[in-house]
Amino acid sequence: GNSVTQMEGPVTLSEEAFLTINCTYTATGYPSLFWYVQYPGEGLQLLLKATKADDKGSNKGFEATYRKETTSFHLEKGSVQVSDSAVYFCALRPQAGTALIFGKGTTLSVSS
Amino acid sequence: DAGVIQSPRHEVTEMGQEVTLRCKPISGHDYLFWYRQTMMRGLELLIYFNNNVPIDDSGMPEDRFSAKMPNASFSTLKIQPSEPRDSAVYFCASTVDSPPNGYTFGSGTRLTVV
Repeated sequence: GNSVTQMEGPVTLSEEAFLTINCTYTATGYPSLFWYVQYPGEGLQLLLKATKADDKGSNKGFEATYRKETTSFHLEKGSVQVSDSAVYFCALRPQAGTALIFGKGTTLSVSS
Repeated sequence: DAGVIQSPRHEVTEMGQEVTLRCKPISGHDYLFWYRQTMMRGLELLIYFNNNVPIDDSGMPEDRFSAKMPNASFSTLKIQPSEPRDSAVYFCASTVDSPPNGYTFGSGTRLTVV
């Protein structure tokens, strides 16, 4: 079946540090891949997406590349800020289907 | 567009009472989803609709939960009777089928059953 596995948190970083949050998936065919961010007390917001292999999604300094060969979609940011503190969710939308399948989320805490 | 609108934002109710959560999707979106989020289980898909028709309700925990979508601009999730273990944040989300976009989520309803 389809599934998403994220690295467990919390991830604690100092401001301006480099961020990587690992995400791997299991799916048949060519799913679409997403990263969502959830700030405290809010709903999930789409951060970036990639719909085919080797696509790179990017937004607000965050990037992730759709790697078919390693079934991965790792989230990276070169220099994190305190305002990036949130929960990050990796998700996939199956090639045949609409329902998003989410990972368990990774909490990021950035201190100044 | 105002986004996906959920009401109420917070609901506190006593065990055994009926609870109704409401959602207005983005105009033109033909899919609507209800999720539940807890610390223990993370995000769980409860049910989703396509063009107002329920497609998959396998995530609905038990018969106490029901969902309707009487028209393209409104959906409800009802719990009757409510129990303390139903306490969670309930999210509604909507999307279009093509291209394969992600969802737009509402701000959620935080339900507390005492």
